[in-house]
Amino acid sequence: AQSVTQLGSHVSVSEGALVLLRCNYSSSVPPYLFWYVQYPNQGLQLLLKYTTGATLVKGINGFEAEFKKSETSFHLTKPSAHMSDAAEYFCAVTMTGGFKTIFGAGTRLFVKA
Amino acid sequence: DTGVSQNPRHKITKRGQNVTFRCDPISEHNRLYWYRQTLGQGPEFLTYFQNEAQLEKSRLLSDRFSAERPKGSFSTLEIQRTEQGDSAMYLCASSLALAGVITDTQYFGPGTRLTVL
Repeated sequence: AQSVTQLGSHVSVSEGALVLLRCNYSSSVPPYLFWYVQYPNQGLQLLLKYTTGATLVKGINGFEAEFKKSETSFHLTKPSAHMSDAAEYFCAVTMTGGFKTIFGAGTRLFVKA
Repeated sequence: DTGVSQNPRHKITKRGQNVTFRCDPISEHNRLYWYRQTLGQGPEFLTYFQNEAQLEKSRLLSDRFSAERPKGSFSTLEIQRTEQGDSAMYLCASSLALAGVITDTQYFGPGTRLTVL
């Protein structure tokens, strides 16, 4: 069975500091991996996704994530946090050829001025 | 592209009442998904349509829940005899599945927040 674990329900960084949000997954088959962002009272917006090919994936708003199969990880990073990055971030996995997406519990990012 | 819309945005109801939510996907999208999101959790898959066919339902979707997508356009999610445990955000997403494309990107609506008193 697939599952997603996001380490840290809350992460706080200073504006301009590195953002690192951790995600580990379990899957019996090669997965497709996603990061979504959710602002208050809004739906989820796709930040980036990994399907095949290059393991370092760049997304919107300066975010990127690296798929590491040996570590079953897909951590999200951004070199310099901005106040507008404050939101909830969800890591998700979909089985190859499938449609059912499993989400992690989310990590709320706080950005301090 | 006007995005995925959901109505109503908020619904307060009394326990035992029936409620119906509507989702209008992005017009050319052939797949439509319903998720439930409770406080402090990620979205949980409920059900999925390919055009008008409902292809999978989660075990979370008890017999009090029913979803339809007539004509493969908008979708409705009905909850009968609501319980306090049904209080959650109900999210709809749509995607365009193309032959030969590995996986499709789901676009989410803003959700309908249900409160059962």
